[in-house]
Formats: sequence, structure tokens, C-alpha cells
Amino acid sequence: QKEVEQNSGPLSVPEGAIASLNCTYSDRVSQSFFWYRQYSGKSPELIMSIYSNGDKEDGRFTAQLNKASQYVSLLIRDSQPSDSATYLCAARTGGTSYGKLTFGQGTILTVHP
Amino acid sequence: GAGVSQSPSNKVTEKGKDVELRCDPISGHTALYWYRQSLGQGLEFLIYFQGNSAPDKSGLPSDRFSAERTGGSVSTLTIQRTQQEDSAVYLCASSLIGDRGRETQYFGPGTRLLVL
Repeated sequence: QKEVEQNSGPLSVPEGAIASLNCTYSDRVSQSFFWYRQYSGKSPELIMSIYSNGDKEDGRFTAQLNKASQYVSLLIRDSQPSDSATYLCAARTGGTSYGKLTFGQGTILTVHP
Repeated sequence: GAGVSQSPSNKVTEKGKDVELRCDPISGHTALYWYRQSLGQGLEFLIYFQGNSAPDKSGLPSDRFSAERTGGSVSTLTIQRTQQEDSAVYLCASSLIGDRGRETQYFGPGTRLLVL
């Protein structure tokens, strides 16, 4: 079992819809979780970090964390074509608040007009 | 402010040659990471420097890979006797431990390495 798993997709949604990206992790003591966006040929760009159970909202983005289910998700409201990218879920395993990140394989999102 | 910078942006080399990849972290960031991203493998951790502590080398795939960080700032990743399977994008990230001891990593643009 991979430490961080994502639906590989690709996920295709129409413009204006809600895109839902999901991620599970295997290390129960993980405390820090991140969503990065990566455009083709570019490096990962941080979108959201989440540390506590529940929802965290930032503009059109909402991250959700459920530690009991070992589940992290990212919702993108009012999706735009510019949101088309690969979304990487990352967890800091081992229960520390700093150190290496373990990444999922990424979910390719396409938002079509 | 300036972000993480890496050089070269692209590197083509022949199998068996040595290569050096450079990373300049964000000013003031105390931690520096190297990751590798290749098709089919995703983004993999290689090595981590934090301040003056001994680096975490647990992700280096073989003894052909090494890295150093001089003066707590610039880092160089060296790959000796390159192999075709070393072809990948090498990403550097730097971070600062902030509120509540939490740390967020910011990535540089990467170096695309192609070994022929």
C-alpha cells in the first residue's frame, strides 16, 4: 500500500462546476497535509495546507481533513479552465511538524469551457 | 521576494558523466530539500538539510548521489556516473518553520536532466 494515494483521474468537469479531489494516507500519526498544483512543465505550487480535522477555506478552494478516516480532500468551487492542472496531495508522515513530504501520484484535472 | 532558484534549468549529459545541480533557497529559509520527479514514480524525496544538523539522506537512491549545503544556504546535488534511469526533473524546496512549529515547503523551478 502506498503511503499517500490519490485517484489518478483524469478528472474532467465543466466550467463553473465543483471539482472534488481525494487523497488517503496510511500513516496514522501524520499531522500535516498539503495540496500542490502543478501545471504542465512547471514546478509544484502550494495551494493549501491543513492540520486539523474539518474544513479550511481559502477563496474558491476548500481542504477537508478527516484523521479518523485518514482522508484528505480538496474542493474547487466555480472551476475555471485555468484550474486545469495536476493536483498533488502530500503528507508529512511520522508525526512531525517538519521534514520530508510524501506525495501521491497526482490527479489530472481538466476544466472544459 | 525572490523564490527558490535552480540551475541549470536543463541539462543533457552522456551516460557515465558526472553532473552538478544547484539550488539557491529563499533567503532566511533554514531547511532545504531535494526531490526527484520522473514519469511513473511521482515526486520522491531525496535528501533534507536543516540548519547545522546532519542531513537526512534516507531518500538517496544510490551512493552515486550526494549533496552538500555550504554556509547554510546554497546546495549542490551531485550525480556521479549518470545512468539513463537518472533522467528526471530534480526539484529543490526550501522552508521556514513558522507558527506552532509548522513548516511549509516552496519549490524551485527544477532542473530537467536527460541522460543519453
